[in-house]
Amino acid sequence: NAGVTQTPKFQVLKTGQSMTLQCAQDMNHNSMYWYRQDPGMGLRLIYYSASEGTTDKGEVPNGYNVSRLNKREFSLRLESAAPSQTSVYFCASSEFNEQFFGPGTRLTVL
Amino acid sequence: GENVEQHPSTLSVQEGDSAVIKCTYSDSASNYFPWYKQELGKGPQLIIDIRSNVGEKKDQRIAVTLNKTAKHFSLHITETQPEDSAVYFCAASSYFGNEKLTFGTGTRLTIIP
Repeated sequence: NAGVTQTPKFQVLKTGQSMTLQCAQDMNHNSMYWYRQDPGMGLRLIYYSASEGTTDKGEVPNGYNVSRLNKREFSLRLESAAPSQTSVYFCASSEFNEQFFGPGTRLTVL
Repeated sequence: GENVEQHPSTLSVQEGDSAVIKCTYSDSASNYFPWYKQELGKGPQLIIDIRSNVGEKKDQRIAVTLNKTAKHFSLHITETQPEDSAVYFCAASSYFGNEKLTFGTGTRLTIIP
């Protein structure tokens, strides 16, 4: 099992560009999450999906959209990237509390 | 909503000594408290968790204690080893099952050989 996979690993964008971060899990989990990690601020929840077909906002949803494409895949889209969105993005999935994290995507917006 | 505070932000200990990281939470309805370890360049990984009906839980060299009255919980690592060097996050949740976690801001633990 690969667990949780994320693509790409690194990305550099210019202000105003758009991109989609991809996440997939092979553990048949119902819940999936997107976090951003910034120095000194821990992990902050952007969006989560409790099951296929449902999504809900987390603590910092502004500037992001998500799609729960099917049970395996949960994508995060930046429509118009801003320098404040420079961060490391983690996807996670869970079934009964324990969250399994992917390796992260390091995004820089210039 | 829930607010989780974590201290200290950095901690250095001699190899073989013990390390303690403390967290407080604000929502008295929270009943699940996991600890995650994040190694450099990787995603966080669960190392131990505790539920509100238990005061202490131990797994080899790591233990977690919970004081519901004071709304704080702590991670204890004994006989520290170089591989314990990492960033540790506490978290809290008010539901069992598939629910959101609120994370603390992290503690960078460095084990000095």
